[in-house]
Amino acid sequence: DAGVTQSPTHLIKTRGQQVTLRCSPISGHKSVSWYQQVLGQGPQFIFQYYEKEERGRGNFPDRFSARQFPNYSSELNVNALLLGDSALYLCASSPGRGFQETQYFGPGTRLLVL
Amino acid sequence: AQKITQTQPGMFVQEKEAVTLDCTYDTSDPSYGLFWYKQPSSGEMIFLIYQGSYDQQNATEGRYSLNFQKARKSANLVISASQLGDSAMYFCALGGGATNKLIFGTGTLLAVQP
Repeated sequence: DAGVTQSPTHLIKTRGQQVTLRCSPISGHKSVSWYQQVLGQGPQFIFQYYEKEERGRGNFPDRFSARQFPNYSSELNVNALLLGDSALYLCASSPGRGFQETQYFGPGTRLLVL
Repeated sequence: AQKITQTQPGMFVQEKEAVTLDCTYDTSDPSYGLFWYKQPSSGEMIFLIYQGSYDQQNATEGRYSLNFQKARKSANLVISASQLGDSAMYFCALGGGATNKLIFGTGTLLAVQP
């Protein structure tokens, strides 16, 4: 079975622009979570979506938004990009939404904001 | 508040030897789970092993085992018979509560030497 896929793999934007990142979960997985990983740090939780509803949100500004589609794929949008948004954005999927569910990560999207 | 602490920024180990990566945690959730992930230089987070807070036995997955000491709030990863391909960043993560949000530590960079 295919793993979690993300697109694009790399992205370069300038300050103030908007970006959309995409994620397709493992087949049968209904939960998708997004994480931001700044260089040299561990991933930070941004959002969890389960059955197309937001189930959790991390400590990120309103410039960050996301949604989940009927096929369980997901998009992460970031508006008014700042230099500090440069990071690896990771998507993870799991069958359900409980804490005991193992999350499987995609290869990530590397975003560089100039 | 939930917190993960990994105190070893980097470690060296000789090929075929065992190595222990330290992880301590803090949480107020009565039920929780601890995960270990491996992140090679490519960036993808690879799931290694999971331990639930109420599991009676320490988790094992092939060459990976988790030394879970609940009273000390530690969940150390033991890798037996290290291989060159084990060289990577290793993250400990804590899950708990109503979502599958993961709190990650800062990671330990493991270098396996021939």
